[in-house]
Amino acid sequence: DIQMTQSPSTLSASVGDTVTITCRASQNINRWLAWYQQKPGKAPKVVIYKASTLQIGVPSRFSASGSGTEFTLTINSLQPDDFASYYCQQYNSYPITFGQGTRLETK
Amino acid sequence: QVHLVESGGGVVQPGGSLRLSCVVSGFNFNEYAMRWVRQAPGKGLEWVAFIRHDSSHVYYTASVRGRFTLSRDNSNNTLYLEMTRLTADDTGVYYCSKCDFGEFGFYYYMDFWGKGTSVTVSS
Repeated sequence: DIQMTQSPSTLSASVGDTVTITCRASQNINRWLAWYQQKPGKAPKVVIYKASTLQIGVPSRFSASGSGTEFTLTINSLQPDDFASYYCQQYNSYPITFGQGTRLETK
Repeated sequence: QVHLVESGGGVVQPGGSLRLSCVVSGFNFNEYAMRWVRQAPGKGLEWVAFIRHDSSHVYYTASVRGRFTLSRDNSNNTLYLEMTRLTADDTGVYYCSKCDFGEFGFYYYMDFWGKGTSVTVSS
């Protein structure tokens, strides 16, 4: 199975900050990576797919990059609505696997 | 508008069974693959099962293989997850999710999710 490792597990930031979350795959997943945002008690919502493609309707302050085994999600100029948990997920091969999550909290 | 509505969750004793359903609307169900993803209380996301649009391929995570059965009724826009021999480790919120069109007929991410249905396995 492909292991997905996110860092950090928790990130404290303020409105207006720029933050970056890293996701590492235990083996090459090419660009088959998605990022999901999840708020407490809610379903996840896709933010990025194919490593760097912004899902329709997601603000342009979200961006992502990477390929192979190293990926990043960056949120520029944090807004109050962005404080949530973020998960990376590889869909290169089965079993589909998620990172353990990064909780983005208000400093 | 795409909608996915899960139902069928509840409290069940260890060793028991449940059947989850996911009724969808707002898209051509028979054209899209689907997945179930679960989340244990306070934990991260775990993929459970996948089914192609035509049911030609069905995959399961190892921990549920042989106990869970995923199926779909394209004429009724409904996805089913039959769960048997349930254990405490199966406790969590179960989300039904729609896959995108996919690339090369294999690489799918999940573009829409239902709100989930809660399953608690406890004596």
